[in-house]
Amino acid sequence: GAVVSQHPSRVICKSGTSVKIECRSLDFQATTMFWYRQFPKKSLMLMATSNEGSKATYEQGVEKDKFLINHASLTLSTLTVTSAHPEDSSFYICSAIVGGGNQPQHFGDGTRLSIL
Amino acid sequence: EDQVTQSPEALRLQEGESSSLNCSYTVSGLRGLFWYRQDPGKGPEFLFTLYSAGEEKEKERLKATLTKKESFLHITAPKPEDSATYLCAVQARGNTPLVFGKGTRLSVIA
Repeated sequence: GAVVSQHPSRVICKSGTSVKIECRSLDFQATTMFWYRQFPKKSLMLMATSNEGSKATYEQGVEKDKFLINHASLTLSTLTVTSAHPEDSSFYICSAIVGGGNQPQHFGDGTRLSIL
Repeated sequence: EDQVTQSPEALRLQEGESSSLNCSYTVSGLRGLFWYRQDPGKGPEFLFTLYSAGEEKEKERLKATLTKKESFLHITAPKPEDSATYLCAVQARGNTPLVFGKGTRLSVIA
């Protein structure tokens, strides 16, 4: 149980392109989804928290207009990297929880984004 | 500020050589401490949640323990397939986001 699917797993595109990443909870309804960024040999950095039907809460230093998050349903959240540049290249990972409180987050397999 | 420090950064073990990974934390009221396993190019896989000092949880060759200041992940008789990065994260009271450590990269050599 608690499977989170993330798509695509890898994206390579030109600078200036907008890229959409999908995160789906397959066997549960996720009240909250999270988006992280991870650099090589570094820890996960939380970018934003999204709740279904409401605006995402972004962490300090994360540009809202750059990283658009839409949590349209209890099983789907999307992250769109707008006008991506090489410095946006990274490993993006989503996670989801069912219920609140101190339930564990379940993670997708990540998206490797490479901007040329 | 909530902080998580994991040690060592990297650990190399022979197959069957038991050891422990450390996760030291400072948090304003612990709501939960989480252990995850992450394979290269993959997302973290949930292992354990610990909620209060003295609690222990086991899964196959892994055992997690918790005190008021730190958690240990004990690996008994590891196998090469246990090689991965092990991440520790804490959540403070008030439904705050998880704070992750940088992880311990474990390599088990046959």
